Amino acid sequence: GNSVTQMEGPVTLSEEAFLTINCTYTATGYPSLFWYVQYPGEGLQLLLKATKADDKGSNKGFEATYRKETTSFHLEKGSVQVSDSAVYFCALSESGANSKLTFGKGITLSVRP
Amino acid sequence: DGGITQSPKYLFRKEGQNVTLSCEQNLNHDAMYWYRQDPGQGLRLIYYSQIVNDFQKGDIAEGYSVSREKKESFPLTVTSAQKNPTAFYLCASSIWDQANSPLHFGNGTRLTVT
Repeated sequence: GNSVTQMEGPVTLSEEAFLTINCTYTATGYPSLFWYVQYPGEGLQLLLKATKADDKGSNKGFEATYRKETTSFHLEKGSVQVSDSAVYFCALSESGANSKLTFGKGITLSVRP
Repeated sequence: DGGITQSPKYLFRKEGQNVTLSCEQNLNHDAMYWYRQDPGQGLRLIYYSQIVNDFQKGDIAEGYSVSREKKESFPLTVTSAQKNPTAFYLCASSIWDQANSPLHFGNGTRLTVT
């Protein structure tokens, strides 16, 4: 079956540091890949997505590239801010359908001023 | 503004009681979902519905029930058969027949059963 593996957390960084959050996946077909963000006390919001190999999703300074050869979708940001403190979830969906969105366990990012 | 409303934000119940969590959306989405979030376990799918009067079990449906009598509403009942009901519950919706349509989430209901 499908699965998503995220690096262990939590992660604590100083403001303006470089961020990488690793995500790898296992899928039987050609999934779409997503990063969702959850701010304290809220639901999840879509951060970015990529629907096919070599696509790069980007939003709010975050980027992730769909790497089929390494089955990875690592999230990066060049300079984090305190406001980026949140829980980040990597997820995948089966081709053509959204019903079976499979999530990773999430990782908590804390950014210090 | 369009969105998903979950109520209440916090809910407390005694063990052995059924409790119903509300989820309403005005996004005109066909599909709706219920997820459960536990610390360190990510999100797990409880039930989902593609269309009115139809719903499917997710990965952890035991001890839960749902109904979908209206497009806008997808209430979740946590029954006394659910062994570990204390959790954060998230409702979501999406366009069903549009590939890769993102999920829109509500702000969740935190249920505590003692």
